[in-house]
Amino acid sequence: EVQLVESGGGLVKPGGSLRLSCAASGFTFSSYSMNWVRQAPGKGLEWVSSITSTSTSMKYADSVRGRFTISRDNAKSLLHLQMNSLRAEDTAVYYCAREEADKFYTWFDPWGQGTRVTVSS
Amino acid sequence: SYELTQPPSVSVSPGQTARITCSGDALPKKYAYWYQQKSGQAPVLVIYEDIKRPSRIPERFSGSSSGTVATLTISGAQAEDEADYYCYSTDNSGNQRVFGGGTKLTVL
Repeated sequence: EVQLVESGGGLVKPGGSLRLSCAASGFTFSSYSMNWVRQAPGKGLEWVSSITSTSTSMKYADSVRGRFTISRDNAKSLLHLQMNSLRAEDTAVYYCAREEADKFYTWFDPWGQGTRVTVSS
Repeated sequence: SYELTQPPSVSVSPGQTARITCSGDALPKKYAYWYQQKSGQAPVLVIYEDIKRPSRIPERFSGSSSGTVATLTISGAQAEDEADYYCYSTDNSGNQRVFGGGTKLTVL
């Protein structure tokens, strides 16, 4: 069974940092691109970042570019999101999601259960 | 920036057909994907590439797309289908990955 388990969320002050992790199991992690998607309280889904299977390409939403860094450890089947210079508007549940692909088209499936990040003084 | 537009809410009685639309300028050339999110849970893929349904998803869920509008149809909606539904797609360049604002489906 494919499983994605996020960890590392918590309460942090504005300007602070946090590192999220996602432990993958049940599939060949090193063969898939991975993503982070977030959901602010009571709001919709927002794609945050993606990384290719061998870390050759990382992409970011405009809202986090320059502050967040996505990385992965294929030997340990781990996905990370380093979040610096956090703002109140970064408060959200952060989901990791495997990227499925068909030719040029990609989508997210499955998703982890999420980890909550709260940025507040 | 690219946007996908969904109605905020749709309401149907049990057994009726629910239709949720998603509008976007790039949809004539880009696939739409649909996610179901029940309260307090992670999103689950219910339709991919406009019309394909994962094997684990009930047959009452179907998708279609025409021009700039993609539609998720739930035929014979059940109480367990109450959830928020999000469409997902990209702009024509594929660089912007965008979710619609979500539609709250009420079955009562």
